[in-house]
Formats: sequence, C-alpha cells, structure tokens
Amino acid sequence: QVQLQESGPGLVRPSETLSLTCSVSGGSIRTLYWHWIRQPVGQGLEWIGRIHPSGSSNHNPSLNSRVTMSVDPSTNKVFLDLRSVTAADTALYYCARGQEASGFDHWGQGALVTVSS
Amino acid sequence: SYEVTQPLSVSVALGQTARITCGGSNIGSKVLHWYQQRPGQAPVLVIYRNTNRPSGIPERFSGSNSGNTATLTITGAQAGDEADFFCQVWDNNIAFFGTGTKVTVL
Repeated sequence: QVQLQESGPGLVRPSETLSLTCSVSGGSIRTLYWHWIRQPVGQGLEWIGRIHPSGSSNHNPSLNSRVTMSVDPSTNKVFLDLRSVTAADTALYYCARGQEASGFDHWGQGALVTVSS
Repeated sequence: SYEVTQPLSVSVALGQTARITCGGSNIGSKVLHWYQQRPGQAPVLVIYRNTNRPSGIPERFSGSNSGNTATLTITGAQAGDEADFFCQVWDNNIAFFGTGTKVTVL
C-alpha cells in the first residue's frame, strides 16, 4: 500500500521560501504524477502543481510562478518550494498521487505551515 | 480559470438519500472525481472518472455527470458519511476543485 508523508518547517517568515518534502513508501515514484495541494484551515482545496519523474511539470498560474517542484527517484521523495510567501500561504499542505483520468488516489496526512513573523 | 460550484451544505436523514451537486460550464464533457474529507483527515477518493468507485468504497456512493451538473449520490446515508465532499476536474492542464459541500446526517 502506497503511503505518503509530508514534512517540513511548521513556521515560515513572510517573504521567505516554504520548503516541503513528501516521502513515498510502498511503491516507486518513477511512474505517475505527484501533486501538491493545499487547504487553508476551514476552507477548500487548491491545487498547487504536479510533477512527473520524467521532469514534466506544471503549476497553478494563480501562484504567479513562485512554485518549484522536483523529485528524487533514488530516495522516493518529492519536493516543493514556494517562494516569497505571505500570510495568505498559511495552509495545510498535502502531497498526493494521481492521474487526470483516475483522480488523486493516495494522499499524505498533510503538513500545516504557518507564515508569520 | 474554471469555476466549479457546490452547495454549501446538504442535510440527510439517517438511511435516506443525499445528492450533492457540482456545477460548471459543460462539466459533463470533463472527467470528474469526488473526494470525501472527514474532520481532521486527508481527503479520500470516493468516485473517479464520473461513475467509478475505488476499491473499498461502499456501493452506496454513486456518481453521474452530464450537461452542466455532476451529482454524487449517497443511497442509505450512514452516520459515518458526515463529511465535506469536493468534486474535482481538469481544465487546460490545471486541476480545479469545487467549493465543497458539508453533508450532515440527521
């Protein structure tokens, strides 16, 4: 059974970079797309972006190109950097596995990130 | 940007049928998925590709998608079905989620 686990700092200062890691176990990350999705507390879900181990990636234009994603198949990890954060970036950040035709079928438990000085 | 709208809340009596709608322009032409999110938990995929149930999802969950509206139906709602439900589609290589519906089982 594939399991995903997000990790990273719980507190980031405004204007700095939010960096998260998604550790995948129970399966290889060498196929399929891996996604980042966030959810402000008590609010809805927002797709941040996706990356394929081949290097193909794209992100939500609403984030104004502040997003960088990468994968390391040797360690089965997926990474997210979100630059120039503001309080509006405070949210629970999820990594998920998925394809367009089959949905996001596996999710991590989420990592809460607060942006505050 | 593609807008996907859902009712804020739906209430259903225990054992009765709940219908949660998801609206969008010509949404029936898109592949649509549904997620259930219980309080304090990550979302779980309950319907994929409009009508399909992943392994382990009870048969009481079913989906349809046509025209400008998709519908998730819970037939014989149980107390454990209380949760937020989100629909999700892809448009121009971007994933869009619906606004979310809180289902209350009375």
